[in-house]
Amino acid sequence: QKEVEQDPGPLSVPEGAIVSLNCTYSNSAFQYFMWYRQYSRKGPELLMYTYSSGNKEDGRFTAQVDKSSKYISLFIRDSQPSDSATYLCAMKETSGSRLTFGEGTQLTVNP
Amino acid sequence: SAVISQKPSRDICQRGTSLTIQCQVDSQVTMMFWYRQQPGQSLTLIATANQGSEATYESGFVIDKFPISRPNLTFSTLTVSNMSPEDSSIYLCSLFLGTGDGTQYFGPGTRLLVL
Repeated sequence: QKEVEQDPGPLSVPEGAIVSLNCTYSNSAFQYFMWYRQYSRKGPELLMYTYSSGNKEDGRFTAQVDKSSKYISLFIRDSQPSDSATYLCAMKETSGSRLTFGEGTQLTVNP
Repeated sequence: SAVISQKPSRDICQRGTSLTIQCQVDSQVTMMFWYRQQPGQSLTLIATANQGSEATYESGFVIDKFPISRPNLTFSTLTVSNMSPEDSSIYLCSLFLGTGDGTQYFGPGTRLLVL
């Protein structure tokens, strides 16, 4: 079993839709949770990070962590064509620097 | 954050040859990482490169195949040796700024195609 499982997609939505991207994990030692956005032919770009459980909002993006269910989500409101990219979840234990990534979800927002 | 550049951005190589990828950072960082991203897949950590010490390789990756140099706090190289078509991938360097959240910042990647 993989430590991190991510909804594979691909996901195609109309402009303005609310998008939900999700990951589950099995390692209860994960404490830091990140979302990276990767445009085609580019390196991953850090989008958001959260520590432990709870929500974090940044503009149209909301990251949610439910440690009891070992489940994290990224919500995108009022999605735009410029949001079209692959989204990767990543997680880290308290100690060390090693990140464990999900497989990525490819999102297309259609005008 | 930091500005990270990689050279080359892409290359097409023949089987059996080697390619060295350079990663340059605009600030001094202790920890740098090298990842591989195979087509349609997520990122796999190859090794951690700390300045002043030998690189630490993940399971499945060995120094003879992926030698790494880290001569100073702003630069690192990854060599892909004796390449085969299975090495066709995107190779990414990243850095850790030492913040408690553990976030890493990635370079733009080097797209490698081995024929």
